[in-house]
Amino acid sequence: AQKITQTQPGMFVQEKEAVTLDCTYDTSDQSYGLFWYKQPSSGEMIFLIYQGSYDEQNATEGRYSLNFQKARKSANLVISASQLGDSAMYFCAMREGRSNYQLIWGAGTKLIIKP
Amino acid sequence: GAVVSQHPSWVICKSGTSVKIECRSLDFQATTMFWYRQFPKQSLMLMATSNEGSKATYEQGVEKDKFLINHASLTLSTLTVTSAHPEDSSFYICSASSSSEYQETQYFGPGTRLLVL
Repeated sequence: AQKITQTQPGMFVQEKEAVTLDCTYDTSDQSYGLFWYKQPSSGEMIFLIYQGSYDEQNATEGRYSLNFQKARKSANLVISASQLGDSAMYFCAMREGRSNYQLIWGAGTKLIIKP
Repeated sequence: GAVVSQHPSWVICKSGTSVKIECRSLDFQATTMFWYRQFPKQSLMLMATSNEGSKATYEQGVEKDKFLINHASLTLSTLTVTSAHPEDSSFYICSASSSSEYQETQYFGPGTRLLVL
């Protein structure tokens, strides 16, 4: 079974609109961390936001927020007021427990912002 | 903060040669470094995990004699692709994390595009 599922291969969004990128995860661990990364066409992976399994509040970083619904095992990324520069691949990843820091990656969502 | 550099960004080489890629954490000490490979339009594939001063742990299916990893210091890890062949052409990207950071976020280098002719 997929541990990290990103159901949207691609999305088109109008500039200045908010966008939600879906991510569901599967783990039996009580302690885990969820990460979102952005990969522009240049290839670099840019860390956006982190949510710990024990964090009671949803994480926010500027225009990025994470809609964490633990019971549903979902960790959707919300980008408010989208900009043309937000066009990129977006990856959701999970670290289970604290052992060896490995990340389990989703397949990614390609986001294109239309002017 | 949390800047990771990777060098070179592009390399083209002839089949049979070896290529060394460097990954450096510039402003923090990386207790663990990771090497990934990424094919076009796919997600990251973890190749190996390395801790400073110890042997790297390779993922299943990754040839350790083919992809030599050295993590000599808390700021430098190298990946050497030995006797490279066209099928080794790919995007290689490293990341670094610190156990002293609560989130243990992996911070990535800009990646290296390898083309083997």
